[in-house]
Amino acid sequence: EPEVTQTPSHQVTQMGQEVILRCVPISNHLYFYWYRQILGQKVEFLVSFYNNEISEKSEIFDDQFSVERPDGSNFTLKIRSTKLEDSAMYFCASSEVGQHFGDGTRLSIL
Amino acid sequence: DQQVKQNSPSLSVQEGRISILNCDYTNSMFDYFLWYKKYPAEGPTFLISISSIKDKNEDGRFTVFLNKSAKHLSLHIVPSQPGDSAVYFCAAIIQGGSEKLVFGKGTKLTVNP
Repeated sequence: EPEVTQTPSHQVTQMGQEVILRCVPISNHLYFYWYRQILGQKVEFLVSFYNNEISEKSEIFDDQFSVERPDGSNFTLKIRSTKLEDSAMYFCASSEVGQHFGDGTRLSIL
Repeated sequence: DQQVKQNSPSLSVQEGRISILNCDYTNSMFDYFLWYKKYPAEGPTFLISISSIKDKNEDGRFTVFLNKSAKHLSLHIVPSQPGDSAVYFCAAIIQGGSEKLVFGKGTKLTVNP
């Protein structure tokens, strides 16, 4: 069964550094999402992406965040200047009908 | 802003018995509801869903019930198996838009052999 893949599985970064989280959605899916889960809290929506543009973003998704689909397969989330509170699990999802999630990237900001 | 609430952080059930996981929502615009299952170090996996025009959907051992007037849904697992031990997330969607999922905090189910 096709699946969403995310790399790396764990990213450790110094506060203030830029980080790029990578996702390869399922190939025929058209809708892409990023969610995050801070330890002990709920999974929160960050942004949705369709037809090469953001279709919706949450209040969390401020100017420090950006998404890109640089080629036909990858979907990336960039955090420009990381803060301690950005430490979380970041999940990518893609959908045609129903959202399929990757296994996440654990981002640790030191 | 807790639009989707799962008030029980954990539930422990004996193998073979029924597991009932509950979920409440506050936003009456939600029209599609989903349950996801999550094992440690993995992403959420879709389990079962229900449209707001229905009150029940069944798939094997899993049944979801929706009570729109009470803004309440529940997931029944029967019979429960040790492999069902995981965190279960309730999620809701407003169809027709970006279809972002709004999640509850999850309920950790433990099925004891």
